[in-house]
Amino acid sequence: RKEVEQDPGPFNVPEGATVAFNCTYSNSASQSFFWYRQDCRKEPKLLMSVYSSGNEDGRFTAQLNRASQYISLLIRDSKLSDSATYLCVVNSANFNKFYFGSGTKLNVKP
Amino acid sequence: DAGVIQSPRHEVTEMGQEVTLRCKPISGHNSLFWYRQTMMRGLELLIYFNNNVPIDDSGMPEDRFSAKMPNASFSTLKIQPSEPRDSAVYFCASTPDRGRSGELFFGEGSRLTVL
Repeated sequence: RKEVEQDPGPFNVPEGATVAFNCTYSNSASQSFFWYRQDCRKEPKLLMSVYSSGNEDGRFTAQLNRASQYISLLIRDSKLSDSATYLCVVNSANFNKFYFGSGTKLNVKP
Repeated sequence: DAGVIQSPRHEVTEMGQEVTLRCKPISGHNSLFWYRQTMMRGLELLIYFNNNVPIDDSGMPEDRFSAKMPNASFSTLKIQPSEPRDSAVYFCASTPDRGRSGELFFGEGSRLTVL
């Protein structure tokens, strides 16, 4: 079983739409959680951390459900520039290992 | 400030040849990671180092793969002999605090094609 599982998509949405992604993780002892963004043929970059109480950064909201072991990312008012692959990342109990999901592809269309 | 620097950016080689990928982490970062990315398997952690010491190489696919970090500013990933199934993008990443902040800083990757 993979450490982190995501729906690969693609999610095709019009500009201005709200879109949500989920991912699940297998290790209940995981300590910390993140969303990364990867543009086509580029390296992954940190988008935001995910805190137990949920957190927001502009149009982006991340939530964590430890009981069900899933993480979500909500994007409001989608922009063309949001088109990318979004990677769910889980850090192991001792912080040393980062497990990446396979990513969810988002296409925002005009 | 310079980011993580990887070389070569692209390499095309023939099956059986030795491939060496290089990485210079961000100065002051004490953890270094090597990842491989393919369409089929996504990003896979191959090995990571803390303070130049290999901590976990359980992700290294087989004995053909080896990695070294002789000092804090340089690491290599070697494949010998290479096979077509090794074709992938290999990313090096570093982080300053053993990953507590959650931010891995990736290089631009080395795209390897083995014919």
